[in-house]
Amino acid sequence: EPEVTQTPSHQVTQMGQEVILRCVPISNHLYFYWYRQILGQKVEFLVSFYNNEISEKSEIFDDQFSVERPDGSNFTLKIRSTKLEDSAMYFCASSTQRDSRLRDEQFFGPGTRLTVL
Amino acid sequence: KNQVEQSPQSLIILEGKNCTLQCNYTVSPFSNLRWYKQDTGRGPVSLTIMTFSENTKSNGRYTATLDADTKQSSLHITASQLSDSASYICVVSPHQAGTALIFGKGTTLSVSS
Repeated sequence: EPEVTQTPSHQVTQMGQEVILRCVPISNHLYFYWYRQILGQKVEFLVSFYNNEISEKSEIFDDQFSVERPDGSNFTLKIRSTKLEDSAMYFCASSTQRDSRLRDEQFFGPGTRLTVL
Repeated sequence: KNQVEQSPQSLIILEGKNCTLQCNYTVSPFSNLRWYKQDTGRGPVSLTIMTFSENTKSNGRYTATLDADTKQSSLHITASQLSDSASYICVVSPHQAGTALIFGKGTTLSVSS
């Protein structure tokens, strides 16, 4: 069964460093998402991406964040200068439909745990 | 403000017993409501998806209900198994927001033998 994969599973970095989190969405999906979950808190939407551009982003997704689909398979989230409060689990998801009114199912990856020291 | 509240925060039941988890939301207008299961350290996995016109949806031992008038949903788990131990998250899609899903904080279910 196809699944979303993410690497690395755990990333430890120093405050101020740049990190890139990688995701390989399901191959025939066209819409890609990043979410984060701070320990003990709810999952929060960061950004959605379609046709090589951002479709929607939340208040959390500020200038320190960027997303890219550098080739036909990978989807990346870059944090330019990490802060302590960026420590969280980051989930990538993908779907075949963009509009949730069409009941698309978003398939989530296993997540990358980012720890900022 | 669009919010999704879940109760209880945590629940412990014996294997084989049934349980019901609750979700209240203030998202309006509303497109659909989903229940996800999230195992510790893993990504959420969809259990059910319901639009505003659907009252109930089953997936094996999981049955979700939706009352769009009172903005309440429940997830009923029948004959619980040890593998049901996980966080169960209620997720709402706001009509106007498109792709952004709004997550509840989840109910942590522990099934013991």
